[in-house]
Amino acid sequence: DTGVSQDPRHKITKRGQNVTFRCDPISEHNRLYWYRQTLGQGPEFLTYFQNEAQLEKSRLLSDRFSAERPKGSFSTLEIQRTEQGDSAMYLCASTQFNLISYNEQFFGPGTRLTVL
Amino acid sequence: TQLLEQSPQFLSIQEGENLTVYCNSSSVFSSLQWYRQEPGEGPVLLVTVVTGGEVKKLKRLTFQFGDARKDSSLHITAAQPGDTGLYLCAGVANAGNMLTFGGGTRLMVKP
Repeated sequence: DTGVSQDPRHKITKRGQNVTFRCDPISEHNRLYWYRQTLGQGPEFLTYFQNEAQLEKSRLLSDRFSAERPKGSFSTLEIQRTEQGDSAMYLCASTQFNLISYNEQFFGPGTRLTVL
Repeated sequence: TQLLEQSPQFLSIQEGENLTVYCNSSSVFSSLQWYRQEPGEGPVLLVTVVTGGEVKKLKRLTFQFGDARKDSSLHITAAQPGDTGLYLCAGVANAGNMLTFGGGTRLMVKP
């Protein structure tokens, strides 16, 4: 399977704990996006990388959130001191960005986080 | 801030009926995508429309992009239970190509 993969698929944690999610994009896709989706809503943009550079962060991304893409391939999203409001589906998407044609984003299956 | 309003939020119909889902905004988008999402899974891309007035067909699904590139619609003909799911529209209006999603339309097709 050469699609976007995410790990873990589900995570249950207690409030105050730290959690880390991993996303493996489609091979050689240079852009990687993180979105968050709460129950009954559409996904909301969090941050994105072009290769290893983090180019934009949403105001939704508080100081407790950090994302990395150290070698321009997989990415991690860490949430420190989790709060119940962090409970959501965290989605990763990737695309091969170019200026010539439209760059369609392909999503992974998501990581469902539940903070107790 | 670009906002996409989807309507209706919920739709429950019988197998064989037709339906239309709308996606509206006051902002202009360079492109618009439609996704379908199953519970517990990520969105799966159905189609991308990029030209104002563009119409694309995918079997029983017809997608239209408004002339002004501010709105779009998804029409399903003769809906089947397998069409059940969450339909999301998402627009691109920035250099970063970040997607702005609508709130989604949850469709249930009863046999």
